[in-house]
Amino acid sequence: QKEVEQNSGPLSVPEGAIASLNCTYSDRGSQSFFWYRQYSGKSPELIMFIYSNGDKEDGRFTAQLNKASQYVSLLIRDSQPSDSATYLCAVNTDTGNQFYFGTGTSLTVIP
Amino acid sequence: DTGVSQDPRHKITKRGQNVTFRCDPISEHNRLYWYRQTLGQGPEFLTYFQNEAQLEKSRLLSDRFSAERPKGSFSTLEIQRTEQGDSAMYLCASSPLWQAFNYGYTFGSGTRLTVV
Repeated sequence: QKEVEQNSGPLSVPEGAIASLNCTYSDRGSQSFFWYRQYSGKSPELIMFIYSNGDKEDGRFTAQLNKASQYVSLLIRDSQPSDSATYLCAVNTDTGNQFYFGTGTSLTVIP
Repeated sequence: DTGVSQDPRHKITKRGQNVTFRCDPISEHNRLYWYRQTLGQGPEFLTYFQNEAQLEKSRLLSDRFSAERPKGSFSTLEIQRTEQGDSAMYLCASSPLWQAFNYGYTFGSGTRLTVV
């Protein structure tokens, strides 16, 4: 069973703060990792991907990967109310043909 | 490039009826994927096509479900004899060959199915 686990939250942070979202995965063969943002009633939107250990930054978003600990995180700096959404962690299969998603973490940014 | 298009956006059907959804991928994308997302859960893989060939199916895709991509362009997902447990958002995505592995893929807006 390939599993991706996320804290479902809800996570609340004040506007301007750093939001930290975490994800662990069980399959050591996984090689690429993705963060999707999903607004209520909408489809998931890809915001970050990472496949090398370390940090990857894109604007206010930083993805962090630690393959030894099987841990992926997403940091959102200077959080805005528009960041309020559910954030889904996804991990590829060892064949790369499908992704396994976590259940998502609900984030609320309080103005 | 207008993105992945799905039709209809919403479908309400009575239990036992058949329903069909359509997905139009981004032009020239070889791969097309179907996922299902129920309330409070992440998307779950159903099946994927490479051109017109259906290469992988999840065990979630019971005998009541069938998917086709007859000419390697648009795809249809049919559910026969719908059950209340089929109520979900059905998501389609597409990608060029091999790109999804490293770069992920973009979902369409989804079809929300409600079985009453």
